[in-house]
Amino acid sequence: AQSVTQPDIHITVSEGASLELRCNYSYGATPYLFWYVQSPGQGLQLLLKYFSGDTLVQGIKGFEAEFKRSQSSFNLRKPSVHWSDAAEYFCAVGARGSSYKLIFGSGTRLLVRP
Amino acid sequence: DTEVTQTPKHLVMGMTNKKSLKCEQHMGHRAMYWYKQKAKKPPELMFVYSYEKLSINESVPSRFSPECPNSSLLNLHLHALQPEDSALYLCASSQDRNSGNTIYFGEGSWLTVV
Repeated sequence: AQSVTQPDIHITVSEGASLELRCNYSYGATPYLFWYVQSPGQGLQLLLKYFSGDTLVQGIKGFEAEFKRSQSSFNLRKPSVHWSDAAEYFCAVGARGSSYKLIFGSGTRLLVRP
Repeated sequence: DTEVTQTPKHLVMGMTNKKSLKCEQHMGHRAMYWYKQKAKKPPELMFVYSYEKLSINESVPSRFSPECPNSSLLNLHLHALQPEDSALYLCASSQDRNSGNTIYFGEGSWLTVV
């Protein structure tokens, strides 16, 4: 069965520091992978996605993610975090079946220290 | 324009009330979704509509009744809800239900059942 694991429930970084959020997936075929961000009280905003091709994908707000098939990972990175990046981050895999749906990880809450 | 609009943003209802949540998109998408999100949890799929027909019902209780009047609109009718149904309800859409499409989310409707 498809699944997504985000091993870190919370991460705290200082403003200006680099960030890496981990995501591991379990899927039998080539996955479609997504990172979404959710600010408090808001809906989900797509940061970036991987479907095929170049394994390093660029997203909005200065985020990037790298797909590593050998490690079943799709980690999200940002070189310099801003206070406004504090939010909940969800990794998701697009599951194929009778209809297409997203399977989400449990989320990682990012706290930014001034 | 990648926008999914949900109304109302907040709804408080009694357990004997009947209310509806509404969702609209003008991106020409033919797949629309309802997700439920409890606090500090990832979104969970409830329903998928494809070309105005119900494609997936993830064993959702009948007190939740979805409706897709046309390709741009998706409603969620609520009746005889329980306090544990209080959550953020997210509408989403994608080009169609086939694999590899990006799913775009609305801001959500916060539901409180009293």
